[in-house]
Amino acid sequence: AQSVTQLGSHVSVSEGALVLLRCNYSSSVPPYLFWYVQYPNQGLQLLLKYTSAATLVKGINGFEAEFKKSETSFHLTKPSAHMSDAAEYFCAVRSYNQGGKLIFGQGTELSVKP
Amino acid sequence: DADVTQTPRNRITKTGKRIMLECSQTKGHDRMYWYRQDPGLGLRLIYYSFDVKDINKGEISDGYSVSRQAQAKFSLSLESAIPNQTALYFCATSTGVSNGELFFGEGSRLTVL
Repeated sequence: AQSVTQLGSHVSVSEGALVLLRCNYSSSVPPYLFWYVQYPNQGLQLLLKYTSAATLVKGINGFEAEFKKSETSFHLTKPSAHMSDAAEYFCAVRSYNQGGKLIFGQGTELSVKP
Repeated sequence: DADVTQTPRNRITKTGKRIMLECSQTKGHDRMYWYRQDPGLGLRLIYYSFDVKDINKGEISDGYSVSRQAQAKFSLSLESAIPNQTALYFCATSTGVSNGELFFGEGSRLTVL
C-alpha cells in the first residue's frame, strides 16, 4: 500500500530563513508525488509535482523539492521564507487504485516570524 | 470564476438533518472526487467518480452518498448528519492522466451541532 508521512505538524521559521518541510513516502511502484499549499479559508493549490522526469523539481513561489529514491523522501524547501508563505502544506502520492486518488500526509503548518 | 466551485461555503446544521454539498466544474474533467479534511489527519477520500455512470466508494464512505448529475456536477449528501461529520469538505477533479494532479475547489465547511 502507498502512504505518505510528513514529519512535524508545525514548523516555525524566521522571515528570510530556510524553509524545510519533510515528506517520506512508501510505494512499491515508482511514485508520482505532489506538494500542495493551503492558505487560510482557501482550497489546495499545487506547488509542484514529481513525475520522474527530473529529481529536482521547481515549483511556484520559489519552492522546490528533491526526489530521493534511496531515502524515499520528497522534502520541500525554499531558501528564504516570506511572511506570505505562512500556510499549511500537504505532501501527497498518487494512488494506483481508487481512481488515481491522491493519498495525503497529515499536513505541516508553516509559521513565519518577522 | 473558479474552475471548481463548491456550494455552500459554510453551513451549520443540527444532528439528524439532511445536507447536500454541491460541486460544479468547468475544467471538462471526467474524474471527480470528494475529500474530507480533519486537523492532523490530512485529506481522506469519501467518493470518486469516473463519469456519470461510474461512482465508487473511497476509504470513508459510511454515512455519505453522492450523485453525479452530469459530467460537470458531483454532489455529496449526508442523509442524517452527526457531529463527527463536522469537517472541511473538498471537491476535486482530474483528467485521469497517471501523473496528473487534482484540482480543488475552495472547500465547504460543515458544522453539525
